[in-house]
Amino acid sequence: SSELTQDPAVSVALGQTVRITCQGDSLRNYYATWFQQKAGQAPVLVIYGQNNRPSGIPDRFSGSSSGNTASLTITGAQAEDEADYYCNSRDRSDYHMVFGGGTKLT
Amino acid sequence: QVQLQQWGAGLLKPSETLSLTCVVYGGSFSDHYWSWIRQPPGKGLEWIGEINHSGSTKYSPSLNSRVTISVDTSKNQFSLKLSSVTAADTAVYYCARLVNWQWLSHWGPGTLVTVSS
Repeated sequence: SSELTQDPAVSVALGQTVRITCQGDSLRNYYATWFQQKAGQAPVLVIYGQNNRPSGIPDRFSGSSSGNTASLTITGAQAEDEADYYCNSRDRSDYHMVFGGGTKLT
Repeated sequence: QVQLQQWGAGLLKPSETLSLTCVVYGGSFSDHYWSWIRQPPGKGLEWIGEINHSGSTKYSPSLNSRVTISVDTSKNQFSLKLSSVTAADTAVYYCARLVNWQWLSHWGPGTLVTVSS
């Protein structure tokens, strides 16, 4: 099965814009789904499909995709956005689910 | 409002079988797939497998020989069994709803399962 690769850590200044990326062959066929996980909590869905946000997710979160790379962008990062972020999609060959290794956003 | 609640034994000895159950409140149980995911302490998320209301399953290749996921539609519940556990199976185990076969939209709170002699 294929893998999804994320940078282990990314930092951003308060109010600035940050992009978190996810690379993998499966992203040529499936959109990435993005999750936010804060310490001691279950993951929360923040972006799904082409660029959709569940109810309650601020509009500073957005998603995009090009080729084998998906990106999660936070425009105007807030202190409460400090968390681990995971991407996820279907494997394009055997249809299993795969997760990226996660990116710690500071 | 969709909510998932889960329960099961939190402490196991090596070679025992892990058993967890997740109950779903709200939404249509039959319209979705249902998944199990785990997270070892300090590490990332790992997909275990999924099931739909009719019992069709798909499992992670790395766990396939030890995993069984089952469903009870009369109770809106689905369950995970993982046999012959070792310390490497120590993790927080999450149940989750899978929408459109792609998006893990709602997660349970997680259950810490520790394997220790």
